[in-house]
Amino acid sequence: EDKVVQSPLSLVVHEGDTVTLNCSYEVTNFRSLLWYKQEKKAPTFLFMLTSSGIEKKSGRLSSILDKKELFSILNITATQTGDSAVYLCAVPTGNQFYFGTGTSLTVIP
Amino acid sequence: NAGVTQTPKFQVLKTGQSMTLQCAQDMNHEYMSWYRQDPGMGLRLIHYSVGAGITDQGEVPNGYNVSRSTTEDFPLRLLSAAPSQTSVYFCASSYWVSTGELFFGEGSRLTVL
Repeated sequence: EDKVVQSPLSLVVHEGDTVTLNCSYEVTNFRSLLWYKQEKKAPTFLFMLTSSGIEKKSGRLSSILDKKELFSILNITATQTGDSAVYLCAVPTGNQFYFGTGTSLTVIP
Repeated sequence: NAGVTQTPKFQVLKTGQSMTLQCAQDMNHEYMSWYRQDPGMGLRLIHYSVGAGITDQGEVPNGYNVSRSTTEDFPLRLLSAAPSQTSVYFCASSYWVSTGELFFGEGSRLTVL
């Protein structure tokens, strides 16, 4: 059965801290892994990863994929209160996107 | 571009009532899908479509019906609402599943009393 597991389920940090969010997957015919940020409304797209070892970066956020060990990490450096959100990872396979349950990040001023 | 548009944003129903959540996209996406999101459960796929005239079930299809008569529209019908269908519903589309990025509508919060 295809599945995507994220850890930790929730995280509380202080502004300025660095956090690492994890996403592991077991799917058939892996093609890509996507990261989304969800604040109070719809998830918004952050990154898509298809190749192992290549880091994607956008400002303070970065992500890397390990296709051998079947996981991805999302790093956020110098966290800000605006980073508080649920972070979701998703893996498309067949005709479906499989989502993890998400990591809830709270950044305290 | 409007992207993915969902209506209504909020709805309260009584048990047994029926309703339709509307979803439209203007990006010429072949793939459209409906998810429900409940606390601690993540996004769970209800139904999806890979093109006009083609629909299929996802993880939690019971109590829901869909149709895809055009590329743009993918309505979700609740046949006889139950309190267990209280949730936030998201419509999402993509050009193809294999090319990644799923674009989401703003969500519809449904409460069934």
